[in-house]
Amino acid sequence: NAGVTQTPKFQVLKTGQSMTLQCAQDMNHEYMSWYRQDPGMGLRLIHYSVGAGITDQGEVPNGYNVSRSTTEDFPLRLLSAAPSQTSVYFCASSYGIMSYEQYFGPGTRLTVT
Amino acid sequence: AQRVTQPEKLLSVFKGAPVELKCNYSYSGSPELFWYVQYSRQRLQLLLRHISRESIKGFTADLNKGETSFHLKKPFAQEEDSAMYYCAPPSNQFYFGTGTSLTVIP
Repeated sequence: NAGVTQTPKFQVLKTGQSMTLQCAQDMNHEYMSWYRQDPGMGLRLIHYSVGAGITDQGEVPNGYNVSRSTTEDFPLRLLSAAPSQTSVYFCASSYGIMSYEQYFGPGTRLTVT
Repeated sequence: AQRVTQPEKLLSVFKGAPVELKCNYSYSGSPELFWYVQYSRQRLQLLLRHISRESIKGFTADLNKGETSFHLKKPFAQEEDSAMYYCAPPSNQFYFGTGTSLTVIP
């Protein structure tokens, strides 16, 4: 199993550009989530999904969109990139949210200039 | 919502010294907490979970219901323990603590 995969690993955007961060898992997990990691701020939840077709907002959803058309994929879209979105983004998946381990992807390092 | 707090953002200890990373929770009920670790430029991975009561890489975590804490401990720190550590409540694992960056000084 590949586990949780993310692409790209690195990305540089100009302010105002849009892009999609890809996340996929091959463990048939229902729960998937996106986090951003910033120095001193820890991991903050952007959006999450409890199954195909179901998504919800986390702590810091502004400027991001998600969709979950399949169990395997959970892309994160930046609508109009801003320097404040410079961060490392992690995708994660799990069987459930109660007492189940989360499996993380390798991360995407995004810089917005 | 069940939340956890990690009061120390940065922690430095010398190699061979004991280390304790603090995690406090603020909810009632039977807490079951997880500790995750992130080594430099790697993905987060589960270190240990309370319910399993395992010792992983020499780390243990003691649940103290009186103090509502789930601190991560290791008697003798090693340089390879330098990493970012996060605790999370498994009933709402979307919300991690803010993390503690541990540096073990040679």
